[in-house]
Amino acid sequence: GENVEQHPSTLSVQEGDSAVIKCTYSDSASNYFPWYKQELGKRPQLIIDIRSNVGEKKDQRIAVTLNKTAKHFSLHITETQPEDSAVYFCAASNTGFQKLVFGTGTRLLVSP
Amino acid sequence: NAGVTQTPKFQVLKTGQSMTLQCAQDMNHEYMSWYRQDPGMGLRLIHYSVGAGITDQGEVPNGYNVSRSTTEDFPLRLLSAAPSQTSVYFCASSSADSNQPQHFGDGTRLSIL
Repeated sequence: GENVEQHPSTLSVQEGDSAVIKCTYSDSASNYFPWYKQELGKRPQLIIDIRSNVGEKKDQRIAVTLNKTAKHFSLHITETQPEDSAVYFCAASNTGFQKLVFGTGTRLLVSP
Repeated sequence: NAGVTQTPKFQVLKTGQSMTLQCAQDMNHEYMSWYRQDPGMGLRLIHYSVGAGITDQGEVPNGYNVSRSTTEDFPLRLLSAAPSQTSVYFCASSSADSNQPQHFGDGTRLSIL
């Protein structure tokens, strides 16, 4: 089955810096890659997603890139702010129903 | 606009007790799922349903049962709780349209003593 690895497990940056979180997946048939942000004690919330027919997607300060050949995708956050501090999860799916397989999460801390 | 509603928010059980975690959605979504979240392990799929009357196992189904008698509701049952089932449980729903985002509930924090 699908296996998703996520790095780093923790990431500390200064406010205004960029942050990059990387994920690799094992199943070449995976075709949907969402990213979720989870604040302490809250539900996971989708922040951006990408499908396998697209190499990059941007939404304001957030972007995701996908390299299907290498089977990895990355989340880029520019001009980080303290409110970006949270745990971020990547996931992958290869079915019409989103049988999502999640990475183990990255705790991002943005210091003022 | 309720979205996905989970009850209860917190629960403490003794080993061997049974319990049902409730999940309801008001978005007329076909797909519903249950995940558990443990420290350092992300979210893992327990069971899922692609429509009323249809359920299937996910990655970690042992010790859990589900049913889907209506589109709106997808309860998760623990028949005989074990300490290893201490976790945070999230229910999610999504449209059947290809690769639509999953919407999560607020979660149920379950402790088994």
